[in-house]
Amino acid sequence: SQQGEEDPQALSIQEGENATMNCSYKTSINNLQWYRQNSGRGLVHLILIRSNEREKHSGRLRVTLDTSKKSSSLLITASRAADTASYFCAFRPGTASKLTFGTGTRLQVTL
Amino acid sequence: EPEVTQTPSHQVTQMGQEVILRCVPISNHLYFYWYRQILGQKVEFLVSFYNNEISEKSEIFDDQFSVERPDGSNFTLKIRSTKLEDSAMYFCASSEEGQVAQHFGDGTRLSIL
Repeated sequence: SQQGEEDPQALSIQEGENATMNCSYKTSINNLQWYRQNSGRGLVHLILIRSNEREKHSGRLRVTLDTSKKSSSLLITASRAADTASYFCAFRPGTASKLTFGTGTRLQVTL
Repeated sequence: EPEVTQTPSHQVTQMGQEVILRCVPISNHLYFYWYRQILGQKVEFLVSFYNNEISEKSEIFDDQFSVERPDGSNFTLKIRSTKLEDSAMYFCASSEEGQVAQHFGDGTRLSIL
């Protein structure tokens, strides 16, 4: 299977804490992306990291990619209640244009 | 900021009926996609469309499914004879190129009775 696996499945933290989510995949990839999905809404693109990059930052987000281990992590620093959502990694197997999504992490940030 | 729009937001249909889900991708994008998400499960790829033809499709996208770009702005997904297991959220997405970020609509919730 080419699907991605994420852990943890669910994460509950307090506002101000950092949240780390991990993603593993099985194929060679061109790039890996992270998306956020608020309940009942569509997916919002957060950040893309290419296969030749190891780390990328965007605001409070930090993404790492280890192609030798076929894994990626998303770190959200100084979390806010508004960060409560499901987070998915998504990647393109080989040269495909389609995205293969991970199983997702449900993040709950409480006040 | 330009966005992908989908209509309707919720569609209720009797089993065996045809349904058409509509999407307006971002205007300068060239690649279009449909994905679905069964309740509580992960997002699954259905089909990608480029240059007026299907470029890739999954095993889910069988003969009951078809896509069309009838004019310069709309991108539709048709399910010919719906089944109970077609109940899901259907997301349309578009991208400028094939290897960059995809932008998603808010989805159509399809309920088959």
